[in-house]
Amino acid sequence: DVKVTQSSRYLVKRTGEKVFLECVQDMDHENMFWYRQDPGLGLRLIYFSYDVKMKEKGDIPEGYSVSREKKERFSLILESASTNQTSMYLCASSPGTGYEQYFGPGTRLTVT
Amino acid sequence: AQSVTQPDIHITVSEGASLELRCNYSYGATPYLFWYVQSPGQGLQLLLKYFSGDTLVQGIKGFEAEFKRSQSSFNLRKPSVHWSDAAEYFCAVGATGGFKTIFGAGTRLFVKA
Repeated sequence: DVKVTQSSRYLVKRTGEKVFLECVQDMDHENMFWYRQDPGLGLRLIYFSYDVKMKEKGDIPEGYSVSREKKERFSLILESASTNQTSMYLCASSPGTGYEQYFGPGTRLTVT
Repeated sequence: AQSVTQPDIHITVSEGASLELRCNYSYGATPYLFWYVQSPGQGLQLLLKYFSGDTLVQGIKGFEAEFKRSQSSFNLRKPSVHWSDAAEYFCAVGATGGFKTIFGAGTRLFVKA
């Protein structure tokens, strides 16, 4: 079975802190994604990566950056956390373009 | 542009009753279609997928979905709902050559005893 793990299930940070969310997949997938999920807004794509060191902006990249130094790991970075970044963050990986995505359990981030 | 519509924000069914969740999509060619389920506080889990071939697709947990090209629909069904099926369900559309998958807004399913 594909397994996608995220570094934390719950995280509480202060405004202005730099926050790292890490995601690891064990199925050698090319594509990885970061989403945020908010009530009433559904899933919104922040960034995705289709290869090591390659990244593309999604629909809401502002305030975020990403890093993919190894194929199995995709990190989301909040450069300076703000309260409006309080959300559920979901990582996913996919074996090919347009194919199904496999999700991690999510990280519930609270910024105070 | 691709889009996915799930007309029902929430649905309540009795345990043991049948279920149908609606999904309509907009896409120029034959899309890849998916249904995912999300339990509270969890990530999304793939229920089933359609790429091509037989338009009736079987998935996990006893779910099935039917692709109807003429109606641009991909409705999810289950003949008998269990209380553990209470969750949020997302329809999604992807496409070859396109990295993005478009997710519907979700339908929350409530199951009453």
